[in-house]
Amino acid sequence: AQKITQTQPGMFVQEKEAVTLDCTYDTSDPSYGLFWYKQPSSGEMIFLIYQGSYDQQNATEGRYSLNFQKARKSANLVISASQLGDSAMYFCAMREAYSGAGSYQLTFGKGTKLSVIP
Amino acid sequence: DTGVSQDPRHKITKRGQNVTFRCDPISEHNRLYWYRQTLGQGPEFLTYFQNEAQLEKSRLLSDRFSAERPKGSFSTLEIQRTEQGDSAMYLCASSLGGAPMSEAFFGQGTRLTVV
Repeated sequence: AQKITQTQPGMFVQEKEAVTLDCTYDTSDPSYGLFWYKQPSSGEMIFLIYQGSYDQQNATEGRYSLNFQKARKSANLVISASQLGDSAMYFCAMREAYSGAGSYQLTFGKGTKLSVIP
Repeated sequence: DTGVSQDPRHKITKRGQNVTFRCDPISEHNRLYWYRQTLGQGPEFLTYFQNEAQLEKSRLLSDRFSAERPKGSFSTLEIQRTEQGDSAMYLCASSLGGAPMSEAFFGQGTRLTVV
């Protein structure tokens, strides 16, 4: 089974509008972390936001917020007031605290390509 | 220190040749990771170092792949006898130890094309 599922291969949003990128995850670990990364065409993965499994409140970082619904195992990224520079691939990832050897490796989804329309 | 640095950014090689990539992590980061990203996919974990010790290797890391991190600073990833299926973006990341959920910072990657 996929550990991270991103069901939207591509999304369009009008500039200045908000957009939600979906992410569902699968784990039996009680302790895990969820991350969102942005990958522009240059290739670098840019860290956006982090949510811990025990965090009571949804994470926010500037225009980014994470809608964390633990019972549904979803961690959707909300981008408010979209800008042209937000056009990129967005990846959801998970780190399970008790994965083998304590390696802290990230498991990524397949990503969502966001296009911001002027 | 401006972040994780990878060299080269692009590499074209003929099938059967050996290639080596270098990664310089953020200086105070003791954890270093290698990932591979093929077209249309998210990055996939290859291997992980804590300081100079290679603590985990993915099944994706065949015998033709070897990674080192001498002295716990920069790391190299070597692919021997390259195959066309090795064509991918190779990403390096580093993170600070002590906090299990600390975010990993990625370099810009090395894009390998095997012809």
